[in-house]
Amino acid sequence: DTGVSQDPRHKITKRGQNVTFRCDPISEHNRLYWYRQTLGQGPEFLTYFQNEAQLEKSRLLSDRFSAERPKGSFSTLEIQRTEQGDSAMYLCASSFGPFYGYTFGSGTRLTVV
Amino acid sequence: GDSVTQMEGPVTLSEEAFLTINCTYTATGYPSLFWYVQYPGEGLQLLLKATKADDKGSNKGFEATYRKETTSFHLEKGSVQVSDSAVYFCALRGGETSGSRLTFGEGTQLTVNP
Repeated sequence: DTGVSQDPRHKITKRGQNVTFRCDPISEHNRLYWYRQTLGQGPEFLTYFQNEAQLEKSRLLSDRFSAERPKGSFSTLEIQRTEQGDSAMYLCASSFGPFYGYTFGSGTRLTVV
Repeated sequence: GDSVTQMEGPVTLSEEAFLTINCTYTATGYPSLFWYVQYPGEGLQLLLKATKADDKGSNKGFEATYRKETTSFHLEKGSVQVSDSAVYFCALRGGETSGSRLTFGEGTQLTVNP
């Protein structure tokens, strides 16, 4: 097991385009989290899944954002009609359960031009 | 809601100096407290944690003690190395507002010069 994998590592897109990121958690982890980190700030919670169920979404997750975890394994985060304010590092993490430590991926850096 | 406040950075030290990075929190309930480290271009790695009052977390020479009376979880290391240069984040989980998700501080950039 190589840990949490995120793809792509970097994405540059034009304003108004749609982008999709993928996260592959550690296989035995049933919880998967998405965070957003802007330059010089700590990560901010976006959403999390327990298996395939999306249990919580932050108010930061506008209608342009959608996340899925269709079979309780990998997850995707899609941003529609990207805006310059969406430029950030998008981090994925997984854990074995609600009170276990998180393992973070290396993140996907999105730049909207 | 739950929140974490870290000392303002950046912090610049010489090798072998003593390190303290202050962290205070606001939360109801009985949160667990964490320190994460982020090296350039990488994701966050768990450095240490404490799950209840008066617990001391330690790892790689770093220590932090969960002080409920002062709502603090300050990070310390007796002798820093150049390889400790990174961004350090204090975080909590398990407060009544945050539940199982992590709430992070804004991070403190540490640079250690040889």
